[in-house]
Amino acid sequence: AQSVSQHNHHVILSEAASLELGCNYSYGGTVNLFWYVQYPGQHLQLLLKYFSGDPLVKGIKGFEAEFIKSKFSFNLRKPSVQWSDTAEYFCAVTTAGNNRKLIWGLGTSLAVNP
Amino acid sequence: EAEVAQSPRYKITEKSQAVAFWCDPISGHATLYWYRQILGQGPELLVQFQDESVVDDSQLPKDRFSAERLKGVDSTLKIQPAELGDSAMYLCASSLGRTGTQYFGPGTRLTVL
Repeated sequence: AQSVSQHNHHVILSEAASLELGCNYSYGGTVNLFWYVQYPGQHLQLLLKYFSGDPLVKGIKGFEAEFIKSKFSFNLRKPSVQWSDTAEYFCAVTTAGNNRKLIWGLGTSLAVNP
Repeated sequence: EAEVAQSPRYKITEKSQAVAFWCDPISGHATLYWYRQILGQGPELLVQFQDESVVDDSQLPKDRFSAERLKGVDSTLKIQPAELGDSAMYLCASSLGRTGTQYFGPGTRLTVL
């Protein structure tokens, strides 16, 4: 069965530190990849997405992610985090093999200390 | 910026009671989704509509849950009777088509006592 793994369940950083959140998926075919963020008390928001083209995708608020097909990965990065980046981050994938249903990772809780 | 609307934002009910949640998708979005999210986990798809038709309800507990989208616009999710294990956040999302990016509403947090 297709699945999405987020390796870091809880991450704690200080402001200005660099961030990388891992995401791996299990599917050999064409995929669409997403990172969503959920700030405390707010709804899920799309950070960035990859459908095709340049594997380095830039999203909102200074986030970027790189699709590495050979590693089945779509890691999220930010060079310098802020306290306001404290949130839950979800990686999700759709594949042609499951009728384009979003398959979600369990999420990574990021806490940024001021 | 257009948003997905949901109401109520919070609902507290006693077990065995009926509850209903409402969702109004972004205008023009043909595909509507209902998800359940338990704290610390990713959303779980309950039902997906394409216009007024259900295209996926494989994870919907049909003995107690029902969903409708009669005119292909807004949608209602109902639970009857509610059980303690139904306490969760219920999210609605919409997209232009079945392969489009999904946009989420604020959710309804349900507490069953």
